[in-house]
Amino acid sequence: DAKTTQPNSMESNEEEPVHLPCNHSTISGTDYIHWYRQLPSQGPEYVIHGLTSNVNNRMASLAIAEDRKSSTLILHRATLRDAAVYYCILSDNSGGSNYKLTFGKGTLLTVNP
Amino acid sequence: GAVVSQHPSRVICKSGTSVKIECRSLDFQATTMFWYRQFPKQSLMLMATSNEGSKATYEQGVEKDKFLINHASLTLSTLTVTSAHPEDSSFYICSAGQRQAPRDGYTFGSGTRLTVV
Repeated sequence: DAKTTQPNSMESNEEEPVHLPCNHSTISGTDYIHWYRQLPSQGPEYVIHGLTSNVNNRMASLAIAEDRKSSTLILHRATLRDAAVYYCILSDNSGGSNYKLTFGKGTLLTVNP
Repeated sequence: GAVVSQHPSRVICKSGTSVKIECRSLDFQATTMFWYRQFPKQSLMLMATSNEGSKATYEQGVEKDKFLINHASLTLSTLTVTSAHPEDSSFYICSAGQRQAPRDGYTFGSGTRLTVV
């Protein structure tokens, strides 16, 4: 699986936007970019995923660079409940069947009140 | 949305005993189940992938005779840690996949904290 690089930690203030970067310079043409987050002592939770175009859902936005070698997860207004480890993962799910997720170290997001 | 129920949430067992962890998909058919392990302050490590009715596929370095996976039905998969030792103490997490790759990502269980004393 292609590797991703994320900062170990980031801080933000409540109600401010957060931009979480991810570098994936060895991404292949069929790799999707997935983001999951994990709150303390819980299983991971799906956030968003995309292939080439920017994506928006109720939780976040995903901005994908034109060359696809990097992406940014955007939380529009951080809340205390967004404090978690955020994982950026590449996986080829173009075939339609179940694909593996390989978790890296992720970014620990701290949200200050 | 899809829900995966994992039990127990916490278990303490004596060294040498076996522990069973259950994962149930509550409102969908889980044709594939992934089992992960997470040590403190580390990331999730995939242990094995099981497909309903088939033998599990284990990742390199994971002992299949120690971590027994059963996926006999479309709604239940179990992980049994046999002859547990203190080094098996960890956070075990499952996630379920349906017949087609999920449109909105995988659903994970809430995890089981295993402590072997």
